[in-house]
Amino acid sequence: DVKVTQSSRYLVKRTGEKVFLECVQDMDHENMFWYRQDPGLGLRLIYFSYDVKMKEKGDIPEGYSVSREKKERFSLILESASTNQTSMYLCASRILGREQYFGPGTRLTVT
Amino acid sequence: EDKVVQSPLSLVVHEGDTVTLNCSYEVTNFRSLLWYKQEKKAPTFLFMLTSSGIEKKSGRLSSILDKKELFSILNITATQTGDSAVYLCAVEGDSSASKIIFGSGTRLSIRP
Repeated sequence: DVKVTQSSRYLVKRTGEKVFLECVQDMDHENMFWYRQDPGLGLRLIYFSYDVKMKEKGDIPEGYSVSREKKERFSLILESASTNQTSMYLCASRILGREQYFGPGTRLTVT
Repeated sequence: EDKVVQSPLSLVVHEGDTVTLNCSYEVTNFRSLLWYKQEKKAPTFLFMLTSSGIEKKSGRLSSILDKKELFSILNITATQTGDSAVYLCAVEGDSSASKIIFGSGTRLSIRP
């Protein structure tokens, strides 16, 4: 079974803090994605990566950056957390041309 | 700008009813359309559609794609309370490598 894990299920941070969300997949998938999910807005794409060290902006990249130094790991970084970044963050991975597998999500609260 | 629109946003039906969920899209160089089911956790994959007119079926669920009219439908027959979930539609385009965007989802509630 494909396994996608995320470093935390719940996280509470203060405004202005630097926040790291980590995602690891164990199936040698080329593509990895970060989404945020808010009520009524579905999943919105923040960044995605199609290979090691390769990244592309999604629809809402502002306030976020990413890092993919190894194929299995894709990190989302909030440089200076703000209250409007309170959300559920979902990581996904896939083989090119196939369906995505999602991690369990990280519910981030910024106070 | 790439876009995925799902309708209705929410739907309440009685157990045993048949439902049809809609997904329309605008995307550069369409590659595939995917349906996912999300209960109180991460989305799980249902179908991937790449060709028009070919129905994909899994038990009581089925889906079909119309690439000319740019939409897909997801049908669920003889609904059960376990079908209650948010159903998400996603589309992969070729505007840049491997980008996959989602609609806002349809929240389906099945009443016993």
